[in-house]
Amino acid sequence: GAGVSQSPSNKVTEKGKDVELRCDPISGHTALYWYRQSLGQGLEFLIYFQGNSAPDKSGLPSDRFSAERTGGSVSTLTIQRTQQEDSAVYLCASSSRSGNNEQFFGPGTRLTVL
Amino acid sequence: EDQVTQSPEALRLQEGESSSLNCSYTVSGLRGLFWYRQDPGKGPEFLFTLYSAGEEKEKERLKATLTKKESFLHITAPKPEDSATYLCAVRLLMDSSYKLIFGSGTRLLVRP
Repeated sequence: GAGVSQSPSNKVTEKGKDVELRCDPISGHTALYWYRQSLGQGLEFLIYFQGNSAPDKSGLPSDRFSAERTGGSVSTLTIQRTQQEDSAVYLCASSSRSGNNEQFFGPGTRLTVL
Repeated sequence: EDQVTQSPEALRLQEGESSSLNCSYTVSGLRGLFWYRQDPGKGPEFLFTLYSAGEEKEKERLKATLTKKESFLHITAPKPEDSATYLCAVRLLMDSSYKLIFGSGTRLLVRP
């Protein structure tokens, strides 16, 4: 596609449920990033993929968070046993290769945990 | 600790009133400094990358500059459509993941 797409755009879930967030990067982009933007806070890094491997998972806040990428393209961020503090906008970005290239962001998924 | 600080948090301007947004950074080594624009309900939109002190880049009414400690985003004769949150981010020299470290942003409102 022309840009990074994410689905769903909005997700409301109950505390304790699992959720899956999807990211479709720009075709051909090998690097993929997940960030989280909480109300009143800046974007914080979660995880980085180069191809299908994740050499940097240092931003994942707990072991309830995991992510995978298949075929060097689509990525899924999974949050298990959601908590209210997980409520945020989850943003995905891709770039043509790791390095100094700019990252292009998707529209985000707004997650609300009740 | 690597840190990015943006000021002011919010800025209100009249249409045509030029001003500057500040991004100061304290990092172990800078690989690049990035400016993004974010509209409500949307993802950040890339504006500029600056790599070394003294570098400047321009796009329409926006001009970004970089020193060894800070970056400025100058807005000349702004229009209401320039209203958005402007985000500054740095990429660290020794970080092989090339992830971005963001400031908390400046919310700009330009009134007609």
